[in-house]
Amino acid sequence: GAGVSQTPSNKVTEKGKYVELRCDPISGHTALYWYRQSLGQGPEFLIYFQGTGAADDSGLPNDRFFAVRPEGSVSTLKIQRTERGDSAVYLCASSLLSSSDTQYFGPGTRLTVL
Amino acid sequence: GESVGLHLPTLSVQEGDNSIINCAYSNSASDYFIWYKQESGKGPQFIIDIRSNMDKRQGQRVTVLLNKTVKHLSLQIAATQPGDSAVYFCAENTPDNYGQNFVFGPGTRLSVLP
Repeated sequence: GAGVSQTPSNKVTEKGKYVELRCDPISGHTALYWYRQSLGQGPEFLIYFQGTGAADDSGLPNDRFFAVRPEGSVSTLKIQRTERGDSAVYLCASSLLSSSDTQYFGPGTRLTVL
Repeated sequence: GESVGLHLPTLSVQEGDNSIINCAYSNSASDYFIWYKQESGKGPQFIIDIRSNMDKRQGQRVTVLLNKTVKHLSLQIAATQPGDSAVYFCAENTPDNYGQNFVFGPGTRLSVLP
């Protein structure tokens, strides 16, 4: 596609539920990133994929968070047993080859945990 | 969409004036820097980047200056327009064992006055 797309644009869930957030990167981009952005702050790094593998998952806050990219294109961020503190905008970005290339961001998914 | 940066530092400029947005970065080993613009409800949009072997780079109406001695980055916008109103983030990339460590600054809200 023309840019990075993310679905859904908004997700409202109840505490304790499981959610999946999807990212479609720019076609041909090898690297994919997930960030979390809370109100009034800059994006916070979560995880970085090179192809199908997670090259760096050091930003995932705990084991309730998991992400996959099984075919090296679309990625899914999965959050188990959601908590109110998980409420944020979840941003996805992709770059051509690596983190030394410019990252292009999607519009984000706004997650609200009630 | 969700507003970004309700409590961020704000820079107000008159339309047509030049704007300078500053950023102090944290890691002297960082070798790649990017400025992003984020409008409310949207993902960050790439503006301009600079690598550590340069101290100045110019784009269309924008200039980025890098001072490695004091770990300072600035974004200059010439002839600021109403469409420039947004939150601006600097980001630094530090090579590490995983290949990247991408960190965003806290952001500055630019408000263009008519």
